[in-house]
Amino acid sequence: GAVVSQHPSWVICKSGTSVKIECRSLDFQATTMFWYRQFPKQSLMLMATSNEGSKATYEQGVEKDKFLINHASLTLSTLTVTSAHPEDSSFYICSAPRTGPHEQYFGPGTRLTVT
Amino acid sequence: QKEVEQNSGPLSVPEGAIASLNCTYSDRGSQSFFWYRQYSGKSPELIMFIYSNGDKEDGRFTAQLNKASQYVSLLIRDSQPSDSATYLCAVNPSNRDDKIIFGKGTRLHILP
Repeated sequence: GAVVSQHPSWVICKSGTSVKIECRSLDFQATTMFWYRQFPKQSLMLMATSNEGSKATYEQGVEKDKFLINHASLTLSTLTVTSAHPEDSSFYICSAPRTGPHEQYFGPGTRLTVT
Repeated sequence: QKEVEQNSGPLSVPEGAIASLNCTYSDRGSQSFFWYRQYSGKSPELIMFIYSNGDKEDGRFTAQLNKASQYVSLLIRDSQPSDSATYLCAVNPSNRDDKIIFGKGTRLHILP
């Protein structure tokens, strides 16, 4: 079946540095990908919609200058957490729909820890 | 974001019994509804989706949708210890895109 990968699976960085997370659709093209963040014992919170070839659409309350999203190809979206702080420590998950919302594939997630 | 509400639990159910999970949503225009299962530290995995009012069955799982009441439920029959997980109700708010909004999830614990 279709697979979405994420890299890295976990990362530790120092406060003030930037971290890039990749999301790839391995066997289908995804014009749209979604980025979620999940804090411990909380639900997945949609951060933004990544659109191939155009600007990302951010959900209310998400700082677009802090969470930079680039969707340069039909199989790759990247999320860069700029000037990371400990409160950005979270589980970041991407997803890509194939034929519709009912066929949406989630990446395995990236655990970010900011020290 | 449009809201999806769930009881956070934990919900404890004896092995072999029926587990009943409930969810309400605020956007009356929502088009499709999903139940995901998430194990700790893992990504969610789709259990079922439902579009139309009524019941939809798949093996031990039955999803129920009542659009008038803006209510979705999931029944798990013959509960197994491996069903212990967090169950996330999710909604596609419109038919214009594939965006999915999640509820906070209900933690289910199946007692052996």
